[in-house]
Amino acid sequence: DSGVTQTPKHLITATGQRVTLRCSPRSGDLSVYWYQQSLDQGLQFLIQYYNGEERAKGNILERFSAQQFPDLHSELNLSSLELGDSALYFCASSVGGLAVNNEQFFGPGTRLTVL
Amino acid sequence: GQNIDQPTEMTATEGAIVQINCTYQTSGFNGLFWYQQHAGEAPTFLSYNVLDGLEEKGRFSSFLSRSKGYSYLLLKELQMKDSASYLCAALSYNTDKLIFGTGTRLQVFP
Repeated sequence: DSGVTQTPKHLITATGQRVTLRCSPRSGDLSVYWYQQSLDQGLQFLIQYYNGEERAKGNILERFSAQQFPDLHSELNLSSLELGDSALYFCASSVGGLAVNNEQFFGPGTRLTVL
Repeated sequence: GQNIDQPTEMTATEGAIVQINCTYQTSGFNGLFWYQQHAGEAPTFLSYNVLDGLEEKGRFSSFLSRSKGYSYLLLKELQMKDSASYLCAALSYNTDKLIFGTGTRLQVFP
């Protein structure tokens, strides 16, 4: 158990819908990262927040948005869902930046299936 | 551009040594991570190399050559539980953005 929690574990929805994925980082971790892992593309960095502020952005679609709240939990919102959005979504957390505090801890992931 | 290459699959025998190679091309490079990921589970951190050379951690070692854009993960005394995917990831300079390779699926046979 990494100490990072993600809910829900599984999510099945239809095309065009909107979902929210939730992540609670390890106690004391200020950085939260979101990743998407699909079968054909591997693990893709989406976005990072540090202490409530957006810190780095990857290949995140405009239909996706995220935020980190004052209690440091984070939510990833996916809207106008398409079949291709079906994937495992991982949240990870670290104390600070990866160059200094190298280890980031991954949550168990949310498996999203879009039908 | 940004590109990480690693073999898709490898097989090895229990007790043997295996080397998983990774080459990277990134516009700005800070360091190189290796993660282990068992099927259906979250990735777990194995190593982070910033400087050239070999870093040993128990049965696992990781090597980096910045001038060649090359890294490898060396697994010794293989055990069945080492069957997993091994992900190579480059950290972009001055950010926390990790670029992952597609992973190498290692199968260890008795």
